[in-house]
Amino acid sequence: DAKTTQPTSMDCAEGRAANLPCNHSTISGNEYVYWYRQIHSQGPQYIIHGLKNNETNEMASLIITEDRKSSTLILPHATLRDTAVYYCIVRGRNTGGFKTIFGAGTRLFVKA
Amino acid sequence: NAGVTQTPKFQVLKTGQSMTLQCAQDMNHNSMYWYRQDPGMGLRLIYYSASEGTTDKGEVPNGYNVSRLNKREFSLRLESAAPSQTSVYFCASRDRDGETQYFGPGTRLLVL
Repeated sequence: DAKTTQPTSMDCAEGRAANLPCNHSTISGNEYVYWYRQIHSQGPQYIIHGLKNNETNEMASLIITEDRKSSTLILPHATLRDTAVYYCIVRGRNTGGFKTIFGAGTRLFVKA
Repeated sequence: NAGVTQTPKFQVLKTGQSMTLQCAQDMNHNSMYWYRQDPGMGLRLIYYSASEGTTDKGEVPNGYNVSRLNKREFSLRLESAAPSQTSVYFCASRDRDGETQYFGPGTRLLVL
């Protein structure tokens, strides 16, 4: 699985868009980009994933660059409840190991 | 549909004691995982089970054993607990064709 690099922490004002970057320069052609988040003391929660096209769901949007070496998770209208650690993960779909390795992630603070 | 459940929620052990952390999922998922999370850090994979009857080591398997009792249940055993195993333990499951992992609420373990 490709390695990812994320900023340690970010701030965002409530009601504004939160843009969380992730670098994955060693991503291979069959690897997907996944985003999870972990609100304090809870288990991680799936947010969104994509291969090469931009994706949107009820929680967030995922923008993947054309060369697929980086991506951005966008929370369009951040609320205080979005304060959490956000993990960017790159892995192949249904690869033999079925493993998902979580790094340190980005700690997002949404401020009133 | 309870999702992924874990027992116990909290546990205090003395060094050298043994215990088993229980995990069960009711989503008929094939693969199950055990992670540990130390303060301020991401999740590290201990063991995983790609399907019933199989288990494999993750990043940090030393000091742990696992049993995939059936499709629903995946237990983690500490034979001789050490203070370095103080952590929060998360269990997760994923369907073979599914895109997301579902996490349990965690077990907080303190080894004195």
